Amino acid sequence: DAKTTQPPSMDCAEGRAANLPCNHSTISGNEYVYWYRQIHSQGPQYIIHGLKNNETNEMASLIITEDRKSSTLILPHATLRDTAVYYCIVRPNTGNQFYFGTGTSLTVIP
Amino acid sequence: GAVVSQHPSWVICKSGTSVKIECRSLDFQATTMFWYRQFPKQSLMLMATSNEGSKATYEQGVEKDKFLINHASLTLSTLTVTSAHPEDSSFYICSVIRLGKKNIQYFGAGTRLSVL
Repeated sequence: DAKTTQPPSMDCAEGRAANLPCNHSTISGNEYVYWYRQIHSQGPQYIIHGLKNNETNEMASLIITEDRKSSTLILPHATLRDTAVYYCIVRPNTGNQFYFGTGTSLTVIP
Repeated sequence: GAVVSQHPSWVICKSGTSVKIECRSLDFQATTMFWYRQFPKQSLMLMATSNEGSKATYEQGVEKDKFLINHASLTLSTLTVTSAHPEDSSFYICSVIRLGKKNIQYFGAGTRLSVL
């Protein structure tokens, strides 16, 4: 499985956009990029995923570079409830297993 | 609403006893479920893949006789931690794949196991 690299921690001011980067330079052609987040002592929550096109849903936007070697998760207006660990995962659409990296601990500051 | 139900949310047991954790998919059938373990301040580690009607597939380094997985129905998988010891204290999380929904994996709320 392709591995991902994320900064260990980030801060973001409440109301501002939070931009969380992920490097997946060894991603292969059939691997999707998934983003999950985990609020303390809870199970991970699905946010968004994509293959090569940018994606947007009610929670966030996902920007994938043209070479697909990196991506950015954007939370457009961060709130205190967005404080969590954010995981970027790559896996084939035909495969089932998710292997989590260390993630980015995002702290939204009032 | 919740897609996956995990029970119990918190369990304390004595060393040497066995603990069973249930994972249920709600409103849909799940042929495949997954079990993860998470130690404090660490990431989730995949333990095993639970397949309905067949034996579970364990990740390297996970003792299959220690962590018994049963997936007897399309909506229920159980993880039994046998002869639990303090080092088994951890946060156990299950997940399910909802087929047809872009292969998104949904996670349970987790079970906090404390072995005294």
